[in-house]
Amino acid sequence: AAGVIQSPRHLIKEKRETATLKCYPIPRHDTVYWYQQGPGQDPQFLISFYEKMQSDKGSIPDRFSAQQFSDYHSELNMSSLELGDSALYFCASSSRGSSYEQYFGPGTRLTVT
Amino acid sequence: AQSVSQHNHHVILSEAASLELGCNYSYGGTVNLFWYVQYPGQHLQLLLKYFSGDPLVKGIKGFEAEFIKSKFSFNLRKPSVQWSDTAEYFCAVGHKLTFGGGTRVLVKP
Repeated sequence: AAGVIQSPRHLIKEKRETATLKCYPIPRHDTVYWYQQGPGQDPQFLISFYEKMQSDKGSIPDRFSAQQFSDYHSELNMSSLELGDSALYFCASSSRGSSYEQYFGPGTRLTVT
Repeated sequence: AQSVSQHNHHVILSEAASLELGCNYSYGGTVNLFWYVQYPGQHLQLLLKYFSGDPLVKGIKGFEAEFIKSKFSFNLRKPSVQWSDTAEYFCAVGHKLTFGGGTRVLVKP
């Protein structure tokens, strides 16, 4: 079965640089979620999109923005990167018809040096 | 506001032992409860979920969980663990998931 695809899997950036993470949901899933998992921490909800519109916002810094495109893939744009942004970024997708059952992608490991 | 907490941060047990991981939640809306597992170096995988109906939920890999409304609990159980169950287990609640801190389980062969 098709799963959530994230790219790149690993990314190394320097402070103050920008990064773009991509997420391709499971086919026919209409909702995408972004989570940030710091070392030894729980995943923290950042933002979600339903049918290309932002549906919920969590603890996403103002330096970050995201959008969902017409093909339902989503991109998380991160600017003015800080050392503390180093984390694993997960994307998850779901279908509204499945009561928010979320399927996670493999994550993008971002390292800021 | 929603919150969830897991009782233990680390559990060590031997193969064939029984496992029970505690989870308590606080949520004002419709209850959507999940257990996810994260094997070393891998992404989160859904073990099981509860939305309504039978409070005893069976999931993958022989796991089950019981929703007890009066105790605000959703504990995860497995009667007999294997070495391959070594992982971190997360209880989560809601539709923008709030996670409970995770429990690292080490199964000794």
